[in-house]
Amino acid sequence: GAVVSQHPSWVICKSGTSVKIECRSLDFQATTMFWYRQFPKQSLMLMATSNEGSKATYEQGVEKDKFLINHASLTLSTLTVTSAHPEDSSFYICSARGSGGPYEQYFGPGTRLTVT
Amino acid sequence: KQEVTQIPAALSVPEGENLVLNCSFTDSAIYNLQWFRQDPGKGLTSLLLIQSSQREQTSGRLNASLDKSSGRSTLYIAASQPGDSATYLCAALDNYGQNFVFGPGTRLSVLP
Repeated sequence: GAVVSQHPSWVICKSGTSVKIECRSLDFQATTMFWYRQFPKQSLMLMATSNEGSKATYEQGVEKDKFLINHASLTLSTLTVTSAHPEDSSFYICSARGSGGPYEQYFGPGTRLTVT
Repeated sequence: KQEVTQIPAALSVPEGENLVLNCSFTDSAIYNLQWFRQDPGKGLTSLLLIQSSQREQTSGRLNASLDKSSGRSTLYIAASQPGDSATYLCAALDNYGQNFVFGPGTRLSVLP
């Protein structure tokens, strides 16, 4: 199956700083990428959807000025958490989908963010 | 708005048992339904994808069925093993291929 990578796998940052998470599709071109966050023992919640070369579409309640998403190429999307606070600590997972059916989504291994 | 639920929330079985995980969705207008496995602290591994026109898919000891009209999917695991212990998530993709809605998951423990 297709492979999606994320970097870093875990990161600890201080409150008020920004952190960038990369998501790459390694062996296919991802026309659409998705960013999710997952709190302990909860399911995945979609944060935003991005299409290559377009602005991301954010889900209701997600601050687009705080969670900056860039999908500059067909293999790379980045999520930048700006001015991070402890409540932003979570598990962030990206997924990617190629063009056309069957629209199978491939997920990255996730990034554990801890804000101290 | 699509809602996906999963029953049971948690399940503990002895090794060797066959088991069924249930997934229900409120809007039957789906493009496909996917089953995933998630190990603690890890990302998602796709197990099976069922297109809306299909009734079931099989991979090894796993079999997933889909009944769109009743809004249900089941994941059948045969001869369970301790290595099957994980959280199993189902997710439904809407007919436009845009919104992918996850269920809350079933935490499975297979005891040796």
